[in-house]
Order: sequence, then C-alpha cells, then structure tokens
Amino acid sequence: EAGVVQSPRYKIIEKKQPVAFWCNPISGHNTLYWYRQNLGQGPELLIRYENEEAVDDSQLPKDRFSAERLKGVDSTLKIQPAELGDSAVYLCASSLDPSRGPSYNEQFFGPGTRLTVL
Amino acid sequence: DAKTTQPPSMDCAEGRAANLPCNHSTISGNEYVYWYRQIHSQGPQYIIHGLKNNETNEMASLIITEDRKSSTLILPHATLRDTAVYYCIVRVAQGAQKLVFGQGTRLTINP
Repeated sequence: EAGVVQSPRYKIIEKKQPVAFWCNPISGHNTLYWYRQNLGQGPELLIRYENEEAVDDSQLPKDRFSAERLKGVDSTLKIQPAELGDSAVYLCASSLDPSRGPSYNEQFFGPGTRLTVL
Repeated sequence: DAKTTQPPSMDCAEGRAANLPCNHSTISGNEYVYWYRQIHSQGPQYIIHGLKNNETNEMASLIITEDRKSSTLILPHATLRDTAVYYCIVRVAQGAQKLVFGQGTRLTINP
C-alpha cells in the first residue's frame, strides 16, 4: 500500500515569492492534515480536512496561507508571499475515518516538504 | 500546549532495551496515550497507543501506571534504526483530534 505522497521534497525560494506544496493521502482516507514543523520542534497543525471540508483552520495564517482539497482527495497548501519565518518542514498526514474509533484514527504522515526562504 | 513531559534526550546501547518515560499527570479519563517517533528527514510514525492496560505490538510495549499519570515505552531490543525523536501524546481516541506534539525525547542507539 502506498503511503502519503508529498512533493516537492525540498524547495528554496526568495522571500516574497509564492510557493505551493502538494499532498496525495493514502487511498480511502477521508481526513487530511497539514502540519508545520520548525527546526527542533514538534509538528503543529495548520489545517484539517474531512473530505473536502476544512473543519479546523484556526492555526492557519490566513493572510498569506491558503489550502484546498479538491474532490476530497489531493490537497495543496500555498503561501503567498513567503516570509523568512516560513522556513520549516511542511508535513501532510491522513487518517481513515476518525469518527469510527481508535483503530481508524491513526495518522499516517508523508515525508514532508522542507522549505527554505532566503 | 502539550500535556506531556519527556526527557529531552536518552542514550541506549544496541541490543539492550530502551525505556522511554513520559509524564501526563493531567490526563483525562477518556484520553489515550499515543507514541509516535520521527526518524531524521522523515515524517512521524505511529508506534502504539493505550488507555489503561499495558499494550504490546511488533514494534514496542507500552506500560501505563495504574493512576495513568505516567507511562513508559519499551523497545525491547534496540537497533541503530531506532535512533529517532520519540513523542508521547495524550488525546481522545475518537474523532479527528489534532496531534499536539511536545519536544519529544531524542533517543540515540549506540553501537
């Protein structure tokens, strides 16, 4: 079974430029998460989707960040314009159907996209 | 904020058991203890979870104290590939709750 796929794995941009990250969750997983991980810290949730609906975006900096999950499958996270402080690893995760209990709630993470803003 | 406290780093010899402690004194009755680990340049990986009974799977064992205020993750025969940051997380098991990661424990397995 294929895991969570993310691309690109690495991205280097200059500040004020736009950038986008793509995530393909595990097939059949209805819940998708975007996390940001700063150097030396644990990941922090940015946004969570249940199917195509964003149900928790309280930690997403909406002035410059946007996300979408078309058709409830793939998702894209965008930053425009990027700032120096956005340098981090952006992780995507998915879970099968958390409403059904602990056996369906495990989150599977992709390898992440390491963003460097110069 | 994370609801758990873990030592920032630990060392263990290859082949020995690695015992990683976690304090979660404010855990609620409906919250489970989850463990994830993150190997360098990879995303976090689920290891095990439990409510109040000890649990074991192919990766590890989880020992939860009777009062549920602390737990220990045990890797019975650590290998070099177990070198990673280990995160202890408490959360309700049902519903799409976000994972609240703390600083974790950086475990180094030495040859």
